Amino acid sequence: GAVVSQHPSWVICKSGTSVKIECRSLDFQATTMFWYRQFPKQSLMLMATSNEGSKATYEQGVEKDKFLINHASLTLSTLTVTSAHPEDSSFYICSARGTGGAGQPQHFGDGTRLSIL
Amino acid sequence: QKEVEQNSGPLSVPEGAIASLNCTYSDRGSQSFFWYRQYSGKSPELIMSIYSNGDKEDGRFTAQLNKASQYVSLLIRDSQPSDSATYLCAVNRGSNYKLTFGKGTLLTVNP
Repeated sequence: GAVVSQHPSWVICKSGTSVKIECRSLDFQATTMFWYRQFPKQSLMLMATSNEGSKATYEQGVEKDKFLINHASLTLSTLTVTSAHPEDSSFYICSARGTGGAGQPQHFGDGTRLSIL
Repeated sequence: QKEVEQNSGPLSVPEGAIASLNCTYSDRGSQSFFWYRQYSGKSPELIMSIYSNGDKEDGRFTAQLNKASQYVSLLIRDSQPSDSATYLCAVNRGSNYKLTFGKGTLLTVNP
């Protein structure tokens, strides 16, 4: 159980393109989803927290107009990187947690490797 | 002081040995603790969760928590080469359900 699907797994596109990444919880309802990015040999950096039906909460330093997050249902959240530039190239990973208290773990998708040329 | 600290390693152990991974955290209000394994180029995978002081065992893995010392550890018995990965300690500090991750310890199990 607790499977999170993330698509696409790899994106290569030109500078200025907008890229949408989908994150789906396949066998549970995800009241909260999280978006992370990870640079090589560094730890996960939380970008934003999204709750179903409400606006995402962004971490300090993350541009909300650059990284658009939509959490329209209990099983789907999307991250759109708008007007992507080479410095946005990174490994983007979503996670999801179900209902319950603080003890509920986050389950991660397989990640999306984004390369902007 | 960093919120969640781990020895970055690399930690190298021979196959069949016990690997011991350690993590300290700064916020005494932390409630839940998780160990994730991350293979190179892959996303994290949940290994263990622990909430109460003491030991919790799951197969070859044992998580240990000492809230008074603000210390959590992961023991891997009978280490296998397939256990070679980066192990991330994560701490949940409260009702917003966000996790704070350590930088991870790279474990190498030598055949």
